[in-house]
Amino acid sequence: GDSVTQMEGPVTLSEEAFLTINCTYTATGYPSLFWYVQYPGEGLQLLLKATKADDKGSNKGFEATYRKETTSFHLEKGSVQVSDSAVYFCALRSGSSNTGKLIFGQGTTLQVKP
Amino acid sequence: SQTIHQWPATLVQPVGSPLSLECTVEGTSNPNLYWYRQAAGRGLQLLFYSVGIGQISSEVPQNLSASRPQDRQFILSSKKLLLSDSGFYLCAWSGSGQGNQPQHFGDGTRLSIL
Repeated sequence: GDSVTQMEGPVTLSEEAFLTINCTYTATGYPSLFWYVQYPGEGLQLLLKATKADDKGSNKGFEATYRKETTSFHLEKGSVQVSDSAVYFCALRSGSSNTGKLIFGQGTTLQVKP
Repeated sequence: SQTIHQWPATLVQPVGSPLSLECTVEGTSNPNLYWYRQAAGRGLQLLFYSVGIGQISSEVPQNLSASRPQDRQFILSSKKLLLSDSGFYLCAWSGSGQGNQPQHFGDGTRLSIL
């Protein structure tokens, strides 16, 4: 079945460092891919998405490119801030699904130190 | 614009007591609705989803049940809570039908069982 694998955390960075959180997926067909962010004590917020191969999703300085050849959707940010400290979830939605179900990765905790 | 409301935000219940968590969506019709549980420091576990009134699909066997009495109302219930029911419960919605719509999450309910 479909699955999403994220790099294990926690990822600890200094402010202004470059961030990469790896995400790879297994799916049949043409899934849509998403990154969600969860700040402490809150629900999940959609960070960005990409719906077809080579699409680049971007928001708040974060970017991820849908790479079908490597089945990856790595999250990047050029310069992280303390306020980016959160848990990040990669997710996919099957292209043939009419239930809207998402398959989530296990989440990666990011800690940014000043 | 669409909004999703969950309540209560926090709840402390004794073992063996009943539970009712409510989720409502505004600004859309016939949404797909979801209940997730997130244990401390863990990823998301899909509990139930619904594609229409009265239609509930259960993803995992458990002590909980869900109901959808109205188009935009989704309720999570239990007759007798267990210690293992503690966690952070998240409701989400997405547009119906096939496509690439993301899920949108509520702020969550933190449930502690004593």
